[in-house]
Amino acid sequence: AQRVTQPEKLLSVFKGAPVELKCNYSYSGSPELFWYVQYSRQRLQLLLRHISRESIKGFTADLNKGETSFHLKKPFAQEEDSAMYYCALSSPGNTPLVFGKGTRLSVIA
Amino acid sequence: DGGITQSPKYLFRKEGQNVTLSCEQNLNHDAMYWYRQDPGQGLRLIYYSQIVNDFQKGDIAEGYSVSREKKESFPLTVTSAQKNPTAFYLCASSIGQPFGYTFGSGTRLTVV
Repeated sequence: AQRVTQPEKLLSVFKGAPVELKCNYSYSGSPELFWYVQYSRQRLQLLLRHISRESIKGFTADLNKGETSFHLKKPFAQEEDSAMYYCALSSPGNTPLVFGKGTRLSVIA
Repeated sequence: DGGITQSPKYLFRKEGQNVTLSCEQNLNHDAMYWYRQDPGQGLRLIYYSQIVNDFQKGDIAEGYSVSREKKESFPLTVTSAQKNPTAFYLCASSIGQPFGYTFGSGTRLTVV
């Protein structure tokens, strides 16, 4: 069964400090992995897709198949990064996304 | 503006009543999804539809029903059989993986 684990419910960091939001998954094949973000009073929106290898708002995420992880990183946290972050997985073939339980990031000024 | 619209934003229901949540999209997406978001639980899949007139149960379909008569619309009915219906409901649509989903702004349902 597919599963996404985000071990931290809450992560607090100081402004300017590095951020790493952890995501581990269980899936035997080649997954498609995503990070979604939900800012206060805004709708859930796509932040990153592993397949595009892009950097959005300074965030990056690398798929590590050996460790089955897709951690989200940013070298210098900003106050506007405070939000709820969800890691999600899909198996190839248009199956629905499976979401982790989310990590709330709080950036302290 | 292309997008996905959920209505109403807030909904109150008495116990024993059915209620229908609306989800409409004008993105020409084939696939649509309903998730339930509870604190500490993440998003859990209720139902999804990959094409008109077809839909599949998700992980927590009991007490819910859907229809997909038009590409643009995917309403969710929360029936009286749903034991714990108070939650935040999110609708999403997708053109297909790996492009991800576009989400609506959600409906908060409270049973009183």
